[in-house]
Amino acid sequence: DTGVSQDPRHKITKRGQNVTFRCDPISEHNRLYWYRQTLGQGPEFLTYFQNEAQLEKSRLLSDRFSAERPKGSFSTLEIQRTEQGDSAMYLCASSLAWTPSGYTFGSGTRLTVV
Amino acid sequence: AQTVTQSQPEMSVQEAETVTLSCTYDTSENNYYLFWYKQPPSRQMILVIRQEAYKQQNATENRFSVNFQKAAKSFSLKISDSQLGDTAMYFCAFMKKEGAQKLVFGQGTRLTINP
Repeated sequence: DTGVSQDPRHKITKRGQNVTFRCDPISEHNRLYWYRQTLGQGPEFLTYFQNEAQLEKSRLLSDRFSAERPKGSFSTLEIQRTEQGDSAMYLCASSLAWTPSGYTFGSGTRLTVV
Repeated sequence: AQTVTQSQPEMSVQEAETVTLSCTYDTSENNYYLFWYKQPPSRQMILVIRQEAYKQQNATENRFSVNFQKAAKSFSLKISDSQLGDTAMYFCAFMKKEGAQKLVFGQGTRLTINP
């Protein structure tokens, strides 16, 4: 297993366009998390899945954001009608529920909205 | 709600020196974990060390150790014999043991190790 993979690494888009990011977690991990990190700040929780169920969404996740995890494997995060304020690093992480080992993070997708 | 505060935005030390990064947190929970993560310029967040709140003994991982003061809600990271590869952003994070196990991060400390 090569860890948590995120694609793309970088995305530049024009304001108003839709973008979609993909995360492939560690295969045996049943939890998958999305975080957003703006420049110079710590990551902030957006949402998480246990298997295919989306169990919690942050207030940061406006209705322009949607996340899916079909069949409990990879996950996608879509942002519709992007705004300049969406520019950030989007981090994915996976874990095995109820284990204290913490997460394994991916390298992130850096989104720039111009 | 939990909050995590890192009061040192930047620190800089010479190679081989010892450096301590500060972290305080606020919670009403009893069962939780505390973490230090490292984020180098390559940007992947890497776990440095973990502390379980119910354990009084401070966690140690090679050159990295913590000073966990539960009553004071303080969780500092000490890096001994610092190396150039330790240069990175360091984030302190809190996780409730139950439920979603979301991480709550501090603002980070940018650590530079100078040759």
